[in-house]
Amino acid sequence: GDSVTQMEGPVTLSEEAFLTINCTYTATGYPSLFWYVQYPGEGLQLLLKATKADDKGSNKGFEATYRKETTSFHLEKGSVQVSDSAVYFCASIRGGNEKLTFGTGTRLTIIP
Amino acid sequence: EAGVAQSPRYKIIEKRQSVAFWCNPISGHATLYWYQQILGQGPKLLIQFQNNGVVDDSQLPKDRFSAERLKGVDSTLKIQPAKLEDSAVYLCASSLVGVRGTYEQYFGPGTRLTVT
Repeated sequence: GDSVTQMEGPVTLSEEAFLTINCTYTATGYPSLFWYVQYPGEGLQLLLKATKADDKGSNKGFEATYRKETTSFHLEKGSVQVSDSAVYFCASIRGGNEKLTFGTGTRLTIIP
Repeated sequence: EAGVAQSPRYKIIEKRQSVAFWCNPISGHATLYWYQQILGQGPKLLIQFQNNGVVDDSQLPKDRFSAERLKGVDSTLKIQPAKLEDSAVYLCASSLVGVRGTYEQYFGPGTRLTVT
């Protein structure tokens, strides 16, 4: 079945550091890929998405590129802020199937 | 635009008791989902409705969990009787019927259930 594997956490960085959170997927066909973010005490919010190979999703300074050859969708940000502290989930949906498959989540803490 | 509403936000019960959660999706969203998120794990789909019909309930423990979506709008998820391992956050999400590859699910704040 479909699965998503993401970088184990927790991750702690200093403000303005470069962030990478790795995500790889297995799926039949060509899934759509997502990053969701969960801020403390809040629900999941869609951060960015990509629906086909080589697409780049971006939002709030975060980026992720859909790499079919490596089945990856790594999340990156050039300069993190304290307000980016949250749990980040990578997820996939297989074409024609509305079922989201999530990774286990990566807790990110940014220290001033 | 109002988001997905859920209640209660927190619930503490003893094992073998019953509990119910309520979800009101975004207006006009035909598809509604219930997820279970155990601490330290990603959300797992329990059941998916399209309008008031069940699309997927393959991971719903049907001996103790039930869900309904009357009139294709609000939904309730019930657990009876609860077990310790049911302690989790229960998330409700909704989406429009999407064109292939453009699905976007909007999540509510969740209900945190603690079973003692």
